[in-house]
Amino acid sequence: QKEVEQDPGPLSVPEGAIVSLNCTYSNSAFQYFMWYRQYSRKGPELLMYTYSSGNKEDGRFTAQVDKSSKYISLFIRDSQPSDSATYLCAMRMGGGADGLTFGKGTHLIIQP
Amino acid sequence: DADVTQTPRNRITKTGKRIMLECSQTKGHDRMYWYRQDPGLGLRLIYYSFDVKDINKGEISDGYSVSRQAQAKFSLSLESAIPNQTALYFCATSRGDFDSQPQHFGDGTRLSIL
Repeated sequence: QKEVEQDPGPLSVPEGAIVSLNCTYSNSAFQYFMWYRQYSRKGPELLMYTYSSGNKEDGRFTAQVDKSSKYISLFIRDSQPSDSATYLCAMRMGGGADGLTFGKGTHLIIQP
Repeated sequence: DADVTQTPRNRITKTGKRIMLECSQTKGHDRMYWYRQDPGLGLRLIYYSFDVKDINKGEISDGYSVSRQAQAKFSLSLESAIPNQTALYFCATSRGDFDSQPQHFGDGTRLSIL
């Protein structure tokens, strides 16, 4: 079983819809959780960065972490065609350990 | 100008050749990383460096070596390239003053080994 599971999609939704992207993980040592957006032929771009369980909001994006269930989510409100991209969840342990463990990414398509 | 610059952006080469991928950053970050991205496998860590004198192996270091020439420069070498090293390679950086700093990525090098 991979440490981080993420449905690769594709996930296709109409413009304006609320999008929900999710990852589950098995290693309880993960402490820091990130969502990256990656457009074709570009590097991953950091969207959200969280540490504790709970919600963090930034504009149309909300990141949610549930450490007890080992489950993280990213919600996108009022989705736009420009949100079409691959979304990667990533996480890392604390205590000096480094390097990120990534999910495989979910390919999101927002239909105009 | 990009904060994290990778060169070349694309490279096609033959099996057995030595290849160097370069990464430079203007963010002033201490930590630098190399990842590869394969379809269906996501990004995996190859090597990382906390500072010029500190180099660490990642999940998939076999067949690769690195050099941290300066705080701002971190290069990845394939001593004798093989076709299964065909992938997208990304360099990333992060601050080293706090344990919890996120990583920022360059736009990658697309490497094809024939």
